[in-house]
Amino acid sequence: AQSVSQHNHHVILSEAASLELGCNYSYGGTVNLFWYVQYPGQHLQLLLKYFSGDPLVKGIKGFEAEFIKSKFSFNLRKPSVQWSDTAEYFCAVALYSSASKIIFGSGTRLSIRP
Amino acid sequence: GAVVSQHPSWVICKSGTSVKIECRSLDFQATTMFWYRQFPKQSLMLMATSNEGSKATYEQGVEKDKFLINHASLTLSTLTVTSAHPEDSSFYICSAEPPGGETYNEQFFGPGTRLTVL
Repeated sequence: AQSVSQHNHHVILSEAASLELGCNYSYGGTVNLFWYVQYPGQHLQLLLKYFSGDPLVKGIKGFEAEFIKSKFSFNLRKPSVQWSDTAEYFCAVALYSSASKIIFGSGTRLSIRP
Repeated sequence: GAVVSQHPSWVICKSGTSVKIECRSLDFQATTMFWYRQFPKQSLMLMATSNEGSKATYEQGVEKDKFLINHASLTLSTLTVTSAHPEDSSFYICSAEPPGGETYNEQFFGPGTRLTVL
């Protein structure tokens, strides 16, 4: 069965530190990839997405992610985090063959120390 | 941007009663909506795909008779939790997918509904 793995369950960083959250998926076919963020008490918002083209995708709020097909990975990065980045981050994969169905990873809680 | 609303935002009910949750796409038409369940500090689990004008498609392990889904129009899908029990207490989130263009295959999420069954 298809799955999405986020190995970091809880990451704690100080402000201005660099961030990288890992995401791996298991599916051999064509995929669309997403990172969603859920700020405390708010609903899920799309950070960025990859459908095709340049594997380095830039999203909102200074986030970017790189799709490495050979590693089945789509890691999220930000060079310098802010306290306001404290949130839950979800990697998600949509199987191209099933159009809309999205499979979410277990999420990574990011805590930023001011 | 595309906005999805849910109502109610929270509900408390007695065991054995039924609860209806509404999901609306406010500024776009959605032929497909999705219902998720999120347990505390866990990820979203897809429960079912709601298709306008046809039966919902349920994920394995989700009881279709317990979680009734009706997608009556292009902007409204409802989830009814029938004969709710305390183990049904959870955070229910819906999402809707716009018909195409730049937002193809992108889902927009509602704010969620917190259900507590006593």
